[in-house]
Formats: sequence, structure tokens, C-alpha cells
Amino acid sequence: DADVTQTPRNRITKTGKRIMLECSQTKGHDRMYWYRQDPGLGLRLIYYSFDVKDINKGEISDGYSVSRQAQAKFSLSLESAIPNQTALYFCATSDSGFRDMGLDTQYFGPGTRLTVL
Amino acid sequence: QQQVKQSPQSLIVQKGGISIINCAYENTAFDYFPWYQQFPGKGPALLIAIRPDVSEKKEGRFTISFNKSAKQFSLHIMDSQPGDSATYFCAASKGSARQLTFGSGTQLTVLP
Repeated sequence: DADVTQTPRNRITKTGKRIMLECSQTKGHDRMYWYRQDPGLGLRLIYYSFDVKDINKGEISDGYSVSRQAQAKFSLSLESAIPNQTALYFCATSDSGFRDMGLDTQYFGPGTRLTVL
Repeated sequence: QQQVKQSPQSLIVQKGGISIINCAYENTAFDYFPWYQQFPGKGPALLIAIRPDVSEKKEGRFTISFNKSAKQFSLHIMDSQPGDSATYFCAASKGSARQLTFGSGTQLTVLP
């Protein structure tokens, strides 16, 4: 979805390096999420944010941190990358205003493929 | 602990056939069950979703069947087409937080 962009799209880094993945959205949504996708494991939630001042840990937050710089921007950091953080990372957004209408759709970005050597 | 179990891991179907993917959940507090479709190199996109107050929802060739007592739900793709070849994820969520718990995914291949 072009309304949710992620940079970089591909990144190769070395063990111990700090790396930041960035997500921007033009959908005007208040909620943003970071997931990682591993083969055979589906997508797992790392962190989520309901607004700039509301950030919450997901299922697998250890080794990750996030920053919500603005409503439209949500970045994911790996302070000291390790090989088992090699994965496909997705950012997603949703609009809490549609929740009561039953429209709980999350819109995903194109993903960042991260390789930690 | 995998709260949403999905099967099969991969599925090959002939064009025109019916594709069936199954999911089972454990948490009875789940109240929203979407299916996402993912093409190679793309992020997942919502395909169809159901709430537990109905047993079936149909949108075009795609149908969700929901069995609350068995805690199971399934995706049926009728008249499967090669363009349906993708990875399909079931998911579940609950409450106002709407955190999605995903199944492990099914890679569907529809042969021409």
C-alpha cells in the first residue's frame, strides 16, 4: 500500500550494529504497529502505538525499541543487532475511529528485509 | 504459545478447484477474525473478516466459515484462479486494543 512507506526496503548489517527502520503513513491513522515475519511463524507484534504519547510492547519486544516522532511516523530500532533478528519487518496502521463500525483493518507497508550477519 | 493454529502450511490446487484453509484458536475472548492475503514482495492486505455473531460471511469467491463452539474458522476460495496464488494468514483479535494474533500462514499455489 503506497500510503504506508518503509525505509530502507533492504538492509544488511553486522552483529552489534545499531539500526533504525522507519515507517511513514499518509492515511491519517492514529494507530501504528511494527511486526516481524519469519517463515513458519507468521507475523508477530513487536510494538504498537495508539498515538504519539501511547506506546506499548507487543509479543516480542525484547531487543527492540520504538519512537513515535509524529502521528505519521513510527520508527523501530535495534540497539545491538543479532543474527536471530534477521527477518522481514512490517509496519502497519489502523484508524481507531473505525473500530466501532467494525472496520478494524490494518494497512501494511511493503516491508523491510533485514539481514544481520 | 501459538494462540492461532493454521493448516495446511502449503496447498496446491488446480484452477477452478476449491481451496480450504483452516484455523483454530484457543482464547475465547477473541471477537474479530480477519484473513490477510500476501503476495511476494508485498505487505499483507485484508481479504475478508468475520465476527463471532455470524457463522458465515461471503465476499465474491471468498467465504469464511466460523464455528464458535469448536473455536475454528476457515477460508474457502471457490473457483480458485492462478492469481489467487499467495500466502494467506488467519488472525484474531480482542478488545479495544485490537492486537492481531496471526496464524503461521498457508502458501497457496493454484495451477493453471
